[in-house]
Amino acid sequence: ETLLTQSPATLSLSPGERATLSCRASQSINTYLAWYQQKPGQAPRLLIYDTSNRATGIPARFSGSGSGTDFTLTISSLEPEDFAVYYCQQRNNWPLTFGPGTKVDIK
Amino acid sequence: QVQLVQSGAEVKKPGSSVKVSCKAAGGTFSTYSLGWVRQAPGQGLEWVGRITPFVGLTKYAEKFQGRVTITADKSTGTAYMELTSLRSQDTAVYYCASYDSNGYLDYWGQGILVTVSS
Repeated sequence: ETLLTQSPATLSLSPGERATLSCRASQSINTYLAWYQQKPGQAPRLLIYDTSNRATGIPARFSGSGSGTDFTLTISSLEPEDFAVYYCQQRNNWPLTFGPGTKVDIK
Repeated sequence: QVQLVQSGAEVKKPGSSVKVSCKAAGGTFSTYSLGWVRQAPGQGLEWVGRITPFVGLTKYAEKFQGRVTITADKSTGTAYMELTSLRSQDTAVYYCASYDSNGYLDYWGQGILVTVSS
């Protein structure tokens, strides 16, 4: 099973600041990585797929990069609605696995 | 756009089974697969398994093998997940989600809280 680790566990930032979230895989996953956003009491929402492609309706301030084992989600300028938990997920190796999440909260 | 509507919350005793449903709005599945993901209280996301309704193919996470069965009724556009031999650690919100053409989970149901308690 491919383990995903995310850092930091919590990121405390102010609106307007840049957020950089990291996801590391225990083995190569090529570029088959997605990012999801989850707000309290809601289902996850797909943000980014295949490392760097934004899902339908996702604002351009969200971007992804990386390959192999190291990946990054960047939110260029945090909006109030972006404070949430972010999960990475790989589909290169069976079974599909998720990272433990990074919480982005308001400083 | 796919809308997935899940059944209501369940409270079960340890050792019992639960069967939850996920209905595609409009009554038809997309071409792709449907998966189940669970989230224990305050915890992260855990993949349970998937089904490809049009061919009836299922795959389960090794952790749940032997305890989980995912089925689908194509005529009603409804998928089901049954989990047996419930224990307290199975207390979680269970989500169904559709796979998109890229193999990711693009549309999610609202989730079902399953509580296992004596």
